[in-house]
Amino acid sequence: AQSVTQLGSHVSVSEGALVLLRCNYSSSVPPYLFWYVQYPNQGLQLLLKYTSAATLVKGINGFEAEFKKSETSFHLTKPSAHMSDAAEYFCAASPFFGSGNTGKLIFGQGTTLQVKP
Amino acid sequence: EPEVTQTPSHQVTQMGQEVILRCVPISNHLYFYWYRQILGQKVEFLVSFYNNEISEKSEIFDDQFSVERPDGSNFTLKIRSTKLEDSAMYFCASRFNDGGYEQYFGPGTRLTVT
Repeated sequence: AQSVTQLGSHVSVSEGALVLLRCNYSSSVPPYLFWYVQYPNQGLQLLLKYTSAATLVKGINGFEAEFKKSETSFHLTKPSAHMSDAAEYFCAASPFFGSGNTGKLIFGQGTTLQVKP
Repeated sequence: EPEVTQTPSHQVTQMGQEVILRCVPISNHLYFYWYRQILGQKVEFLVSFYNNEISEKSEIFDDQFSVERPDGSNFTLKIRSTKLEDSAMYFCASRFNDGGYEQYFGPGTRLTVT
């Protein structure tokens, strides 16, 4: 069965430092991949998505992610962390179901990003 | 900017009671979803809905659960007889009929079963 794994449930960086949040998926057929962010008491907001076009995907708020099929990875990065980036980040995959894709999302367990001044 | 809305934001109910969670998806979207997140756990898919029928459901979505789109705007999740383990945050999501599969999420309803 399709699964998504996020390495590290909690990541702490200093303001201005590189942010790297790791995500790996398991599938023989590369799924569509997404990163969502959740701020306290809010819903999930899409940061970026990979849908088999460019392997380097740019999203909102300066985030980007690179799809690497050979590593089955879709890691999220940001060159310089801001205090406002502190949130919960979820990697998700939309696998193919039978001959199609209903669009359901399978989520990783989430990574809490802490940004220290 | 259009957004998905959910009501209520918090629902407290007693075990065995029926609850209905309501969602208003974005108006031109055609695919609708329910997910749940038990405290401290990952977000889990429950059900997808398209063209007035369920297109896929998870193992969690048993006979106690049902979904309905009673009119052109609302999308509801009903739990017939709630259990303590149904306590969770329930998210509604919707997407347009395009190839991007981007889903827009509501803020969630926190369901507490006592």
